Amino acid sequence: AQSVTQLGSHVSVSEGALVLLRCNYSSSVPPYLFWYVQYPNQGLQLLLKYTSAATLVKGINGFEAEFKKSETSFHLTKPSAHMSDAAEYFCAVSTGNQFYFGTGTSLTVIP
Amino acid sequence: GAGVSQTPSNKVTEKGKYVELRCDPISGHTALYWYRQSLGQGPEFLIYFQGTGAADDSGLPNDRFFAVRPEGSVSTLKIQRTERGDSAVYLCASSLIFSGAPTSGGGDTQYFGPGTRLTVL
Repeated sequence: AQSVTQLGSHVSVSEGALVLLRCNYSSSVPPYLFWYVQYPNQGLQLLLKYTSAATLVKGINGFEAEFKKSETSFHLTKPSAHMSDAAEYFCAVSTGNQFYFGTGTSLTVIP
Repeated sequence: GAGVSQTPSNKVTEKGKYVELRCDPISGHTALYWYRQSLGQGPEFLIYFQGTGAADDSGLPNDRFFAVRPEGSVSTLKIQRTERGDSAVYLCASSLIFSGAPTSGGGDTQYFGPGTRLTVL
């Protein structure tokens, strides 16, 4: 069975500080991995996805994530947090027809 | 249209009633997905369509739930005999082609609608 674990349901960072949101997955076959962001009262928006091309994936808004097979991780990072980054972030894995989302991490950016 | 739209945005119903939730995907997208998101949880996969046919409906929780996409565009999620536990935000997404894993030949981006918030009293 496939699953996604997001460590930390709430993360707070100061404006300008590093953002690190953790995602670990379990999969018996090569997966596709995704990070989505959800702003209040809006739909989910794709930040980036891993599709087995490059292990370091760059997304929108300065975010990037690195696929580490040995650690079964796909952590999301951004060097310098901005106030507009405050939102809910979801990691997702797909190994076939179905998609599995994590429970989400709420990011707060402190001025 | 410019994006995925869902109607209604909010639906309040009484236990035991029948509801229909509508999704208009991006024009030309062949794949359409339904998810359910409960409070404090991530989206939970329900069903996925490739064209008019349901390619995978194994995420539907029980036989009170079913979905159709008769012309390969608009989809309707139908819930019979609603229960309080059905209360959630129902999300729809579409992609140009299937978004699934390398093993099934996918990889395209899913675009999500804003969701329908269903409240069963």
